[in-house]
Amino acid sequence: GAVVSQHPSWVICKSGTSVKIECRSLDFQATTMFWYRQFPKQSLMLMATSNEGSKATYEQGVEKDKFLINHASLTLSTLTVTSAHPEDSSFYICSALRGSGTTGELFFGEGSRLTVL
Amino acid sequence: LAKTTQPISMDSYEGQEVNITCSHNNIATNDYITWYQQFPSQGPRFIIQGYKTKVTNEVASLFIPADRKSSTLSLPRVSLSDTAVYYCLVGPGYSSASKIIFGSGTRLSIRP
Repeated sequence: GAVVSQHPSWVICKSGTSVKIECRSLDFQATTMFWYRQFPKQSLMLMATSNEGSKATYEQGVEKDKFLINHASLTLSTLTVTSAHPEDSSFYICSALRGSGTTGELFFGEGSRLTVL
Repeated sequence: LAKTTQPISMDSYEGQEVNITCSHNNIATNDYITWYQQFPSQGPRFIIQGYKTKVTNEVASLFIPADRKSSTLSLPRVSLSDTAVYYCLVGPGYSSASKIIFGSGTRLSIRP
């Protein structure tokens, strides 16, 4: 089946640094990718919708200057957490859309755990 | 997207059949119902999708009554490895305009 890969799967960084997380669709092209964050024992919270070749659409309350999303190709979207702080520590998950409409399929990455010291 | 309501948690034992119900009273005519499974520190994994009546695959069955205001995910003969969080999502397929919103999910614990 289709595979979506995230890298790194975990990262530890110092407060004030920036961290980039990659999301790749390995065997299909994805015009649309989604980014989520998940705190312990909570559900996934949609952060933004990433469309190839255009600006991401952010959900209310998500700082676009804090969480930079780039979707420069049909197989890669990146999320950069800028000037990370301990409260940004979370599990970040991406998903990629193959096809669209009622025949569209959504595939999730393995997630990336960010710990900010 | 139609809001979904699921039990927060459920417990069962190995070998039992587990049924998890999801309420979606505001489901629209063109909405599909999709269930995902998530293990700790992993991304969600697709289990099953349906529109009406019954859908069955190698891992689960999905029962949808005629009014489609609820759905039931049925896991036959569960094992310890089925311990996970199960999410019910409702929406008109997927597109760049979709907002894939997750509800609270159901935390299923299977005991020996």
